[in-house]
Amino acid sequence: SAVISQKPSRDICQRGTSLTIQCQVDSQVTMMFWYRQQPGQSLTLIATANQGSEATYESGFVIDKFPISRPNLTFSTLTVSNMSPEDSSIYLCSVAGGVVRGEQYFGPGTRLTVT
Amino acid sequence: DAKTTQPPSMDCAEGRAANLPCNHSTISGNEYVYWYRQIHSQGPQYIIHGLKNNETNEMASLIITEDRKSSTLILPHATLRDTAVYYCIVKGNTNAGKSTFGDGTTLTVKP
Repeated sequence: SAVISQKPSRDICQRGTSLTIQCQVDSQVTMMFWYRQQPGQSLTLIATANQGSEATYESGFVIDKFPISRPNLTFSTLTVSNMSPEDSSIYLCSVAGGVVRGEQYFGPGTRLTVT
Repeated sequence: DAKTTQPPSMDCAEGRAANLPCNHSTISGNEYVYWYRQIHSQGPQYIIHGLKNNETNEMASLIITEDRKSSTLILPHATLRDTAVYYCIVKGNTNAGKSTFGDGTTLTVKP
């Protein structure tokens, strides 16, 4: 199974600033996903990031607000830009694949609070 | 991916079996049923998956009805550490497929 780490684990940011979240995987993976989990809510997919191509964003999410980089097969970043209090959420990195086909592994999440 | 419906919450006594239902009436022939759980303040964790046969692993059992329109996740001897939100997801079993999470079931195991 893949082991995923995220940095930072939590942060408190001011309105109008940006935060970049890092996701590191202990093995090479083709597909990585970024999810958002607003307080008391389920997970919502932001985008799918494949190495060597532009990320694919879900409806309601745009690249200008959530730019994603995927420089290699073990690393990705998600930036939350021009933050507002509505961006306060847990952001989770996930990868596909492993022993079980179709399974996804998740990182511990980054808890973001925007004041 | 097919939509799933789960009860918002359930309680279970410690040591008893927890049976968590999921309806997926629009499931297509090549879609699998996956179960994840999310313990508070952690990322979701894969539990089990299946196509049409019942499945069992060290964590749980999965019972899928013959018409595949519903399934039940069974935790045979629930412990307090099983308190979590349980998500039932229907998707193809390729690594290219993303998981779409519904609202899940909050299972509370009580002493």
